Amino acid sequence: AQKVTQAQTEISVVEKEDVTLDCVYETRDTTYYLFWYKQPPSGELVFLIRRNSFDEQNEISGRYSWNFQKSTSSFNFTITASQVVDSAVYFCALSDHNFGNEKLTFGTGTRLTIIP
Amino acid sequence: ETGVTQTPRHLVMGMTNKKSLKCEQHLGHNAMYWYKQSAKKPLELMFVYSLEERVENNSVPSRFSPECPNSSHLFLHLHTLQPEDSALYLCASSQGTLGNTIYFGEGSWLTVV
Repeated sequence: AQKVTQAQTEISVVEKEDVTLDCVYETRDTTYYLFWYKQPPSGELVFLIRRNSFDEQNEISGRYSWNFQKSTSSFNFTITASQVVDSAVYFCALSDHNFGNEKLTFGTGTRLTIIP
Repeated sequence: ETGVTQTPRHLVMGMTNKKSLKCEQHLGHNAMYWYKQSAKKPLELMFVYSLEERVENNSVPSRFSPECPNSSHLFLHLHTLQPEDSALYLCASSQGTLGNTIYFGEGSWLTVV
């Protein structure tokens, strides 16, 4: 069975500090996809990144970076020089292929608060 | 403009009311989803539609009734709900094959009184 664990329930950091959000996953599939979503107070889940199981290259997008380690089944997300606008709940998710359709298994989320 | 739009954004209904949530996607996707997010639980998948056919029903009570008249529209009909059904209901869509990103709407905040 698929499972995603985000052990950090809440994190608070002062603006401009770097912060890393942890994500550990479990799956028996050899082909799978990992995602990060951001949920601001408005409620919408905003897609941030998708990574497939065959691509272990780390990715950087502006202040955001992702570290995918298959050996430890982790897909961690780092925000560099955090800003108040980064305050949100962040979800890690794992895709599950079921009857030809995409299905996401979500972690419980990490609430990130950036203190000005 | 978001690719997945949901209406209404906020809904308050009594336990004897009948209401519907509406979702429309403008992304040309062939799969649509309803997720439920409540304060005490992680995101829960409720229903999956692929090419307008329901392919998954995650043991959702019959007081929630989905409808997918075409690949762009998805409804969630609500009747005789309970206060514990108060939650954020998120609609999403994707191309429906492994690895494609699922895009979410802004959600409908439902309060049952």
